[in-house]
Amino acid sequence: AQSVTQLDSQVPVFEEAPVELRCNYSSSVSVYLFWYVQYPNQGLQLLLKYLSGSTLVKGINGFEAEFNKSQTSFHLRKPSVHISDTAEYFCAVSDRDQAGTALIFGKGTTLSVSS
Amino acid sequence: DAGVTQSPTHLIKTRGQQVTLRCSPKSGHDTVSWYQQALGQGPQFIFQYYEEEERQRGNFPDRFSGHQFPNYSSELNVNALLLGDSALYLCASSPNPGPGYEQYFGPGTRLTVT
Repeated sequence: AQSVTQLDSQVPVFEEAPVELRCNYSSSVSVYLFWYVQYPNQGLQLLLKYLSGSTLVKGINGFEAEFNKSQTSFHLRKPSVHISDTAEYFCAVSDRDQAGTALIFGKGTTLSVSS
Repeated sequence: DAGVTQSPTHLIKTRGQQVTLRCSPKSGHDTVSWYQQALGQGPQFIFQYYEEEERQRGNFPDRFSGHQFPNYSSELNVNALLLGDSALYLCASSPNPGPGYEQYFGPGTRLTVT
C-alpha cells in the first residue's frame, strides 16, 4: 500500500518570495508521482508529474519538483510566487504496475501568498 | 472543448436516502474515476470505470456503486446515506485506463447529508 505525507498543512509567503511544498511518500512498489492544484470552488488541475527519466520535472505556472528516490520525496518549488498562486496543493502517487488510474493523495498544503 | 462536467453542483439529502451524481468526461476520454474529498482532506479514490465496467475500486463499502454509459458518461450512486458521506465528490476522466496518464477533474458535487 502507498501513503503520502505532506509535511506542512499551511505555508504563508510574501509575493515574489521562493516557496517549497514538501511531500514524502511510502510505498513497497514503484510509483508515479504527481502534484495537483485546487483553486477555490474548482476541481484539481495537474501541475506536473514524474514518470521516469530526469528527476527534475518542470510543470505549468513556473513550478518544478525534484524526485528523490533515496529520501522518498517529491518536493514542489517555485522561485517567485504570485498572489494568484494562493490555492490548495496536493501531492499524489500511483502504483506503476496497477491496472487502473487510482491516485493516493496527501492531505494537502494551503499556500497563502500575500503582498 | 468542454472539460469534465458534473451535476448537480450542490445537493442536500437526509440520512438513509439515496443519491445519484452525474459526470460527463472530457471529449476523447473513455475512462472515468470518482473521488470523495472530505472537508480539509485530500481526495480518496472510490472506483474507476472503463468499457462500462468497474475496473478498480478503493476502500469504500458496497453502498457506493456506479455505472458507465456507452457515451462514456458515468453515475455515482450512494445508498443509505450517512452523515459521514457529506463531502465533495469529484469525477476525473483520462484518455487511458492505466496509471501515469493525466486525469482531468471536474468541479465536483457538494453533497450535504443532514
